[in-house]
Amino acid sequence: RKEVEQDPGPFNVPEGATVAFNCTYSNSASQSFFWYRQDCRKEPKLLMSVYSSGNEDGRFTAQLNRASQYISLLIRDSKLSDSATYLCVVTLLNDYKLSFGAGTTVTVRA
Amino acid sequence: GAGVSQSPSNKVTEKGKDVELRCDPISGHTALYWYRQRLGQGLEFLIYFQGNSAPDKSGLPSDRFSAERTGESVSTLTIQRTQQEDSAVYLCASSFPGRGYEAFFGQGTRLTVV
Repeated sequence: RKEVEQDPGPFNVPEGATVAFNCTYSNSASQSFFWYRQDCRKEPKLLMSVYSSGNEDGRFTAQLNRASQYISLLIRDSKLSDSATYLCVVTLLNDYKLSFGAGTTVTVRA
Repeated sequence: GAGVSQSPSNKVTEKGKDVELRCDPISGHTALYWYRQRLGQGLEFLIYFQGNSAPDKSGLPSDRFSAERTGESVSTLTIQRTQQEDSAVYLCASSFPGRGYEAFFGQGTRLTVV
C-alpha cells in the first residue's frame, strides 16, 4: 500500500463551482500534513498546511480526519487560475522525509 | 539567496555519460530533499539529508545514483553512466524544522539523455 494516495482526477469544474477531494495516508503516526500546488512544468509550491482543527485560507479549506486517516481540500468559487495539480504531503513526527501523493488534477473551465 | 537554486536548469547528455546536478538550499534550512519527476508523473522520492547526513537513501533507483551534501548547504546529485530512463526533472527542496517542515522547491533540472 502506498504511503499517500490521491484520486488522480481529473476534476473538471466550471468557474464558480466548489470542488473537493481527499488524500489518504497509511501511517497512523503521521504528524504534519500539507497541500502543495503544481502548475504544468513548474515546481511544486506550498498551498497550505493542514492543522488538526482544520483551517481556511481564502477560498481554500483543509481538513484532517485522523480517525479515518485522510485529509481533504475544498476550493470554493473556483477560478480559472485554480487549474493545477494538487499534491498531498505527509510527514512523520521528528522525521524530515516528505511523502508525496501522486496528485489530483483540477481543471476549471470558463 | 532568497530561494532554492538548482543548476543547471537544463542538461542534455549522451547515454553513458556522468552528470552532476547541484542544489543550493535556502540558507539555514537543515533538511534537503531530492525528487525525480518524469513527464506526466508524480514526484518520486530519491534521498533526503538531515544536515550533512542522509538517513534515508531508499529512493535512489540504482547504484549509479549518489548524492552528497557539505557544510549543511550545497548538495550534489550524481548520476553515473546515464540511461535514457534517467530523463526527468530533478527537483530539490529544503526545509527548516521551525516552520513545521514546510518545504520550498527549486525550479528543477530538466535532464535529457539522448
